[in-house]
Amino acid sequence: AQSVTQLGSHVSVSEGALVLLRCNYSSSVPPYLFWYVQYPNQGLQLLLKYTSAATLVKGINGFEAEFKKSETSFHLTKPSAHMRDAAEYFCAVSDTQDTGNQFYFGTGTSLTVIP
Amino acid sequence: DAGITQSPRHKVTETGTPVTLRCHQTENHRYMYWYRQDPGHGLRLIHYSYGVKDTDKGEVSDGYSVSRSKTEDFLLTLESATSSQTSVYFCAIGASGEGTQYFGPGTRLTVL
Repeated sequence: AQSVTQLGSHVSVSEGALVLLRCNYSSSVPPYLFWYVQYPNQGLQLLLKYTSAATLVKGINGFEAEFKKSETSFHLTKPSAHMRDAAEYFCAVSDTQDTGNQFYFGTGTSLTVIP
Repeated sequence: DAGITQSPRHKVTETGTPVTLRCHQTENHRYMYWYRQDPGHGLRLIHYSYGVKDTDKGEVSDGYSVSRSKTEDFLLTLESATSSQTSVYFCAIGASGEGTQYFGPGTRLTVL
């Protein structure tokens, strides 16, 4: 069975500071891993995904994430926060061997950017 | 953006009434999903479909049913709405082999 843990339901950073959102996963088989962003009153938008190619994945809006198998982690980072990065972020894992392609989501991290 | 629409976008209904939410896609993707989003729970899978007339239950399927008679449409029905089903409902689609799911704009449902 798969599961995702996002440490910190709320994270606050100053504008221009490093953003670090944590995600740890549990999977019995090689996983696919995803980060999504949700702006208020909108659906989820894909930020980036890991599908067993490069372990450092670059996404949209300057975000990137590194897959670390030994730590079962897929933390999301951005070197310099912008006000427009304020949103809810979700980490998700899916089973590469699951024909239904089911996702398992973390409970989300709300990012606040302080001017 | 992936071509996914949800209707209605907002609905208020009363306890005990049936409610149907519609998800429509223009991408011809094989997989379609219904999730609910609640504070502190993230997104939880209700039902999903892997083809026309092929559906399966997710984590929180009690009180919900689905149907998919065409590739492009996936309906979610609350057979007898309860206040615990007040939530935001998201539809998602995915192509075979790609792994990524693409989400619709959501439907906010309030059950009084």
